[in-house]
Amino acid sequence: DAGITQSPRHKVTETGTPVTLRCHQTENHRYMYWYRQDPGHGLRLIHYSYGVKDTDKGEVSDGYSVSRSKTEDFLLTLESATSSQTSVYFCAARGAGLPYNEQFFGPGTRLTVL
Amino acid sequence: GDSVTQMEGPVTLSEEACLTINCTYTATGYPSLFWYVQYPGEGLQLLLKATKADDKGSNKGFEATYRKETTSFHLEKGSVQVSDSAVYFCALSEGGSEKLVFGKGTKLTVNP
Repeated sequence: DAGITQSPRHKVTETGTPVTLRCHQTENHRYMYWYRQDPGHGLRLIHYSYGVKDTDKGEVSDGYSVSRSKTEDFLLTLESATSSQTSVYFCAARGAGLPYNEQFFGPGTRLTVL
Repeated sequence: GDSVTQMEGPVTLSEEACLTINCTYTATGYPSLFWYVQYPGEGLQLLLKATKADDKGSNKGFEATYRKETTSFHLEKGSVQVSDSAVYFCALSEGGSEKLVFGKGTKLTVNP
C-alpha cells in the first residue's frame, strides 16, 4: 500500500457544510491523486498534484479544491458539500521514478452528504 | 479522448471455473495497460500491466495480453478461487501522461 493512509475513513455530513479529507503518504512520492468511485462510473480523477504546491484539475473537479503544502499530505476540500458528492474517495500516489503510471492507492474514505 | 470499456458485471462463477473479463480501449497513441483489483473494503491494487503491443502481463495466475490490432487487454484465469472475489478494473495511461483512465469495473463473485 506504499504507506498511504486516509482520514477520516467514514464521514457523514450535511448539505452546505465544508469537508476536508486528508491523504498522507510516507514514501516521499512526488505525484498524488484524488479519485471518486461511484457505481457505474468506475474511478474518476478529481485533482492531482505533481509536487508541493503544484496541482491540476482532473475530469470531475467542479466543487472540489486541493492543497499540497508538504510532500506527504494532499488535502481534498469540498467547500460546500452537496448530495451529489456522496461517494467513496480514494487517494493514490506515485513516485517519480516509477514508469508507466503505477499508482498505489489508499483504503478510501466513504463520505455521505445528507 | 481516451477511454476504456470493460464487460458489464456482475460475474458469478463456481470455484475452478475459467474466467475472462473483456477490456477494450480507445487511445490516440500507444498507451500502457493495467488491471487493478479491489478486494472488499480495500483500495485498488495493481494486478498486472503491459507496456507495449504483444506484451503479456501476469500475476497470481491471472494473465492479459496487449493486443494492438483489436485494441484489447482481456483478463483471464484458468481456475478461479473464492479468494479472487473482487472488483476488477481495466485502465490505461498514455505515454508521458500523469493520469490513469479507468473502466467502470467488473464485480466477480466466486462461489465454493
